[in-house]
Amino acid sequence: DAEITQSPRHKITETGRQVTLACHQTWNHNNMFWYRQDLGHGLRLIHYSYGVQDTNKGEVSDGYSVSRSNTEDLPLTLESAASSQTSVYFCASSASGSPNEQFFGPGTRLTVL
Amino acid sequence: AQSVAQPEDQVNVAEGNPLTVKCTYSVSGNPYLFWYVQYPNRGLQFLLKYITGDNLVKGSYGFEAEFNKSQTSFHLKKPSALVSDSALYFCAVRDRTGGGNKLTFGTGTQLKVEL
Repeated sequence: DAEITQSPRHKITETGRQVTLACHQTWNHNNMFWYRQDLGHGLRLIHYSYGVQDTNKGEVSDGYSVSRSNTEDLPLTLESAASSQTSVYFCASSASGSPNEQFFGPGTRLTVL
Repeated sequence: AQSVAQPEDQVNVAEGNPLTVKCTYSVSGNPYLFWYVQYPNRGLQFLLKYITGDNLVKGSYGFEAEFNKSQTSFHLKKPSALVSDSALYFCAVRDRTGGGNKLTFGTGTQLKVEL
């Protein structure tokens, strides 16, 4: 069955370190998204991509970057981790075209000390 | 800019009673609307969506939602709640005119169903 996976599921890092969170989907979806979930804020969009070599900033993109070299993967990089980036991160994907629902990965819990 | 409001942080209901989780939205033009559910330590799962047509949309696990254009609302409902429905529920909106598939989510409503 098609799926979307994230790794690692849990990560503890130190302030200032570079961190990369992986997202891999086997749906063959063109659209991929990264969100962060924080209490009181719901889900906020960090970056998104509508296809290979396409990336766009979301509402909370500062301090994050993504690259899309193939259809299946959209890794999220924290260039220099900050304590404010402690959060749960979700990757999602959806098919192109009409308003198709997004499929979510299981999440990565990131703690920045 | 599009936005979603979920006015209740938590909703408590007894098992067997009907439940309603409220959602109001703001977009330019007509919206696409979605409901998702999140169980503890899991990703979000799609429940249902409104695109066009019938204002009452039926989804997974016996849930339904009513689109009300005049009140800009899309409340989630279920006739008879189960303890297993206890979870975090998110409403989301997509602007038809903006293109792409970006969703804006509400802050979530914690549903607690008690025996």
